[in-house]
Amino acid sequence: SQKIEQNSEALNIQEGKTATLTCNYTNYSPAYLQWYRQDPGRGPVFLLLIRENEKEKRKERLKVTFDTTLKQSLFHITASQPADSATYLCALGEGQAGTALIFGKGTTLSVSS
Amino acid sequence: DGGITQSPKYLFRKEGQNVTLSCEQNLNHDAMYWYRQDPGQGLRLIYYSQIVNDFQKGDIAEGYSVSREKKESFPLTVTSAQKNPTAFYLCASRGLLHYGYTFGSGTRLTVV
Repeated sequence: SQKIEQNSEALNIQEGKTATLTCNYTNYSPAYLQWYRQDPGRGPVFLLLIRENEKEKRKERLKVTFDTTLKQSLFHITASQPADSATYLCALGEGQAGTALIFGKGTTLSVSS
Repeated sequence: DGGITQSPKYLFRKEGQNVTLSCEQNLNHDAMYWYRQDPGQGLRLIYYSQIVNDFQKGDIAEGYSVSREKKESFPLTVTSAQKNPTAFYLCASRGLLHYGYTFGSGTRLTVV
């Protein structure tokens, strides 16, 4: 069966450390993978996209890797801050831009000061 | 400012009633989507539309209906046939040249 798994429902880290979130998938062939941030009671906000032929993408303190052999994406937040506390969702896209994304259940990150 | 607006933010419905959730965008995006979010379940796709007057069922379309008469608007009707409608409903849009979704702020529907 097809699955997207974000391996931790919750992750607690101290301010200044690097947070690493994992997204694994089974029986999908994604053309790209995206990461979103969601705050309680709000809609998700797009953060980063990485395509199947890209190994790594960076945006400020964020870094995403994509390993199609391992069927895994890692999402890193360096020098984490309490304001980074939120739920982070990964999403797969299998086709062209108009087709629908498939979302994981999310990992809730808590950064303590 | 360009964006996507969902209304109302909170909605209460009696069992047996149909309700319609509004979703409007002024981003000139072609594709629009409806997802449902339940605690511990993640986002599940209800319907999506890539162009006006066309839409496709998602994984959990039963008990829902949509229309796409205008590019800007993609309303979702939750019918009385939906057995467990209490949930947080999210609408999103995407332009054809940009792969990231823009989400609305959601509508929380409660059946009373």
